[in-house]
Parts: sequence; structure tokens; C-alpha cells
Amino acid sequence: KNQVEQSPQSLIILEGKNCTLQCNYTVSPFSNLRWYKQDTGRGPVSLTIMTFSENTKSNGRYTATLDADTKQSSLHITASQLSDSASYICVVSADRGSTLGRLYFGRGTQLTVWP
Amino acid sequence: GAGVSQSPSNKVTEKGKDVELRCDPISGHTALYWYRQRLGQGLEFLIYFQGNSAPDKSGLPSDRFSAERTGESVSTLTIQRTQQEDSAVYLCASSLTGHTEAFFGQGTRLTVV
Repeated sequence: KNQVEQSPQSLIILEGKNCTLQCNYTVSPFSNLRWYKQDTGRGPVSLTIMTFSENTKSNGRYTATLDADTKQSSLHITASQLSDSASYICVVSADRGSTLGRLYFGRGTQLTVWP
Repeated sequence: GAGVSQSPSNKVTEKGKDVELRCDPISGHTALYWYRQRLGQGLEFLIYFQGNSAPDKSGLPSDRFSAERTGESVSTLTIQRTQQEDSAVYLCASSLTGHTEAFFGQGTRLTVV
């Protein structure tokens, strides 16, 4: 069964600290993985995409990693800011040939940054 | 349109009433997803449409929930005899077949009183 599991479910950190969010998936065959950020009251928007051949990708203070062998991804946030408070959602895309490129969504990690 | 549009943005209804939520996907997007977010909870899958294929309804929580989509156009999510536990934000997302990015609407905040 194709699934995407995220941990922790919620996380509270102090401003300026670093944190890492985890995403494990069983989607197969794998095409790629995206991390989305959902601000309160808004729809999620894409932060970064990881393809099979990529191990690390950075977008400012956000760094995503992918281990396609263990089917794990992480999103590391450096020097957190209050504006990082949001829900972070991991979305895995199945290979088009199998399931027409269906997307599988994790439940999200709710991050709260305190001043 | 320019993005995924959902309506209404907010809906307050009395327990036992039926509600209909609407999602206008991006033109040409063949895949459409409905998700639910209860307060303080994560995304909960409801239903997935892909072109003219039979939808995956495995996430619908009860027979009070139903959804329709004609071709690659508008989708409606209907909740009959609403209960207080139906209160949540209902999110719709669409994507091109074989494309990896989903575009989300702003959601419909449903409150059942």
C-alpha cells in the first residue's frame, strides 16, 4: 500500500534554533518527492522537489535530503524564524507508468516557532 | 483560472443540514484531490479523481460524504446530515497527469453548529 508517514506530528522550537522534519514513504515505483509549506489559513505551496538522483537540495534556510534506498526524506530548517511557523507536508509522486503519476500526501508536521 | 478556486471560503451550517463544497481546478488538470484538515490535525485523504477513471473513494469517512466530478472540470463535495465532527477545513488540490506538483485551493472552512 502506498503511504507517506511524517514525524513528528507537531514540534515547538525557539526562534533561531534548527529543526528537522521526517518523511518516510512506501510509494513505489517512486518518481519524486516534494515538501510543501502551509501557512495558517492558506493552501500549501511547494518548497522544494527531490528526484530519485538527488540527495540534497537547499532553498534558503530549508535543506531537503532524500535517501531513495531507505525511502526517507528530511527537511532541515536552519536558524528558524517566527514566519517558519506552519504545517509542512511531504508529497510523494508515483511513477506515471504505474498509477498515472498519482500523488500521495503525508498528514503534515505542525511547526511552531516561539520568540 | 489562474489557480485552484474553492467556494465558499467559509460555511456555517446547522447540524443535520446538507452542504455542498465546490472546487474549480486549474484548467487542464486531470487529477483532483479532496482532503480534510480538522483543527490541530493533519491532512486526511477523502477522494481522488483522475480523468474519466473511477475515483478512489477510499478516504470518505461515511456514506454521508459523496463527491462528483464531470470530466476534468468542477468537483463538488457533498456532506449530508452534517455532524459537529464534520467541522474542518476542506482542501482541494489539482495536478496535471504525470506532473508532480499539486496546486491547492485556499480551502473551505466548514463549521457545524
